Amino acid sequence: AQSVAQPEDQVNVAEGNPLTVKCTYSVSGNPYLFWYVQYPNRGLQFLLKYITGDNLVKGSYGFEAEFNKSQTSFHLKKPSALVSDSALYFCAVTLPAGNNRKLIWGLGTSLAVNP
Amino acid sequence: DGGITQSPKYLFRKEGQNVTLSCEQNLNHDAMYWYRQDPGQGLRLIYYSQIVNDFQKGDIAEGYSVSREKKESFPLTVTSAQKNPTAFYLCASSDTGYWTKNIQYFGAGTRLSVL
Repeated sequence: AQSVAQPEDQVNVAEGNPLTVKCTYSVSGNPYLFWYVQYPNRGLQFLLKYITGDNLVKGSYGFEAEFNKSQTSFHLKKPSALVSDSALYFCAVTLPAGNNRKLIWGLGTSLAVNP
Repeated sequence: DGGITQSPKYLFRKEGQNVTLSCEQNLNHDAMYWYRQDPGQGLRLIYYSQIVNDFQKGDIAEGYSVSREKKESFPLTVTSAQKNPTAFYLCASSDTGYWTKNIQYFGAGTRLSVL
């Protein structure tokens, strides 16, 4: 079965330190990969995506993600965390061959950045 | 939350009652989606529509119904058959461009509770 795993329910990091939120996937073919962020009681906001090309993708708010095909991972990173980065982060994948545009979602990782 | 408007923000349902959640988008997107979000369960797809007058069931369609009579609108009805409707409901849309398709844009959500 196709799936997305976010192995950590919660990540805690001190402000100013680098952060990593992990995502691994199990899908056939060459997927498109996405990261979204959700602030409390709000909808999700798109952060970045990988379709093809450079394995390091840069997105909004200083976030970046590294695609690793051999490890089937797409970890979200930021060099220096801010307290305002505290939110729920979702990884998602879709298959370009299909045209139904459905996303397969991870369960989310809660990021807490401590002052 | 871009050009997607969900209303109301909060909704209360009495037992045996049907309620309808509104979702309107002014992004000219072809595809629209409804998700249910429960704590710790991530996003689960209820219904999606790729074109006007057509829609498909998602993973948890039982107890829900939708219509897509206009491109801009994709209302969700939570019927009395849905025995556990308390959740946060999110509407999303996406367009058809090569680089942008599969990026879903979300509304601010509707929180439904049972009285």
